[in-house]
Amino acid sequence: EPEVTQTPSHQVTQMGQEVILRCVPISNHLYFYWYRQILGQKVEFLVSFYNNEISEKSEIFDDQFSVERPDGSNFTLKIRSTKLEDSAMYFCASSWLGEINIQYFGAGTRLSVL
Amino acid sequence: AQSVSQHNHHVILSEAASLELGCNYSYGGTVNLFWYVQYPGQHLQLLLKYFSGDPLVKGIKGFEAEFIKSKFSFNLRKPSVQWSDTAEYFCAVSRYGNNRLAFGKGNQVVVIP
Repeated sequence: EPEVTQTPSHQVTQMGQEVILRCVPISNHLYFYWYRQILGQKVEFLVSFYNNEISEKSEIFDDQFSVERPDGSNFTLKIRSTKLEDSAMYFCASSWLGEINIQYFGAGTRLSVL
Repeated sequence: AQSVSQHNHHVILSEAASLELGCNYSYGGTVNLFWYVQYPGQHLQLLLKYFSGDPLVKGIKGFEAEFIKSKFSFNLRKPSVQWSDTAEYFCAVSRYGNNRLAFGKGNQVVVIP
């Protein structure tokens, strides 16, 4: 069964550093999403992306965050200057045109900001 | 903003017991409803979904859920759990025409053999 893959599984970084979290969505999917889950809290929507542009973003997704689809297979989330409170599990998801309401999730990247 | 509530965050039960997990949401319009499951070390997987039609939906692995519009609820049930059902279960809601998912806090379910 096709899967969304995320790398790395765990990223440790120093506060103020830039990080890029990588995702490879399922190959025929056209809608992409990032969510995050701070330890002990709910999974929260960050951003959705379609046709090479952001469709929707939450209030969490401020200027420190950006997303990109640099080629035909990858979808990245960049955090420009990480803060302690960015420590969380980040989930990528994708959905396809025929069933856009159903999102398929990756296993997540645990980001630890020290 | 819509919110999703799941109660009894930690549930421990024995094999063959019945499971019911509650989910309530706050949005008053048309919604799409989902239950996702996350087994230890794995990704979130779709267990079942409701978009329209029969309010009783059946999913994988013997799970079912019932949408009760008047109660803004979408409770998950399984008549007889197995040890392999040990996982975290998330209820999620999106508004009709919008793909943004709002999640509940999750239920950590542990099934004792």
